[in-house]
Amino acid sequence: DADVTQTPRNRITKTGKRIMLECSQTKGHDRMYWYRQDPGLGLRLIYYSFDVKDINKGEISDGYSVSRQAQAKFSLSLESAIPNQTALYFCATSDPGQGADPGANVLTFGAGSRLTVL
Amino acid sequence: AQSVTQLGSHVSVSEGALVLLRCNYSSSVPPYLFWYVQYPNQGLQLLLKYTSAATLVKGINGFEAEFKKSETSFHLTKPSAHMSDAAEYFCAVRSFNQAGTALIFGKGTTLSVSS
Repeated sequence: DADVTQTPRNRITKTGKRIMLECSQTKGHDRMYWYRQDPGLGLRLIYYSFDVKDINKGEISDGYSVSRQAQAKFSLSLESAIPNQTALYFCATSDPGQGADPGANVLTFGAGSRLTVL
Repeated sequence: AQSVTQLGSHVSVSEGALVLLRCNYSSSVPPYLFWYVQYPNQGLQLLLKYTSAATLVKGINGFEAEFKKSETSFHLTKPSAHMSDAAEYFCAVRSFNQAGTALIFGKGTTLSVSS
């Protein structure tokens, strides 16, 4: 099984619908992230979480919410989807680094969830 | 605030030619810098990272990058391109806005390799 699993991999929905993208990990990492990828814009951070009780907004959190149900699970919700939320969404995890390299957190990515909002 | 700029959204090379993908960073503190690669229909995977140790960093698949503080650059190179190197490449810098936090990515450079 993959270290970071995202479901669904592909989803087509209509404007106004509520959508949840789920992410689970077996890395044992405390830190989890949601990014969206758009052509020509790279990856932009939506939300991140350093542990179950910690949720932080990224640069483009408007229109999204998240839930950290457990150390291994981090879900992204679109309460009322709109067409400009059509994108490829990535979940990632990291640990803070160890020893002489503290905080050099390397991200492990899931395979992505492609969302199309019509 | 930290940021990275990737110069050139698309680079085309012939198989066997030198690969050079450019990345410049902006950071008010000594940066942690990364290169990730994304193959079609896959997530991103780490190529290499710079974390204030050696300025020349070697990564997977024959790639390397050199940190140049005077030029605020972290360009990615490979001496001889292979067809399998065709992918999208992202430069990233660690954000220090919060304690131990996320990566800020560039907009990506698509590498095409022709035979």
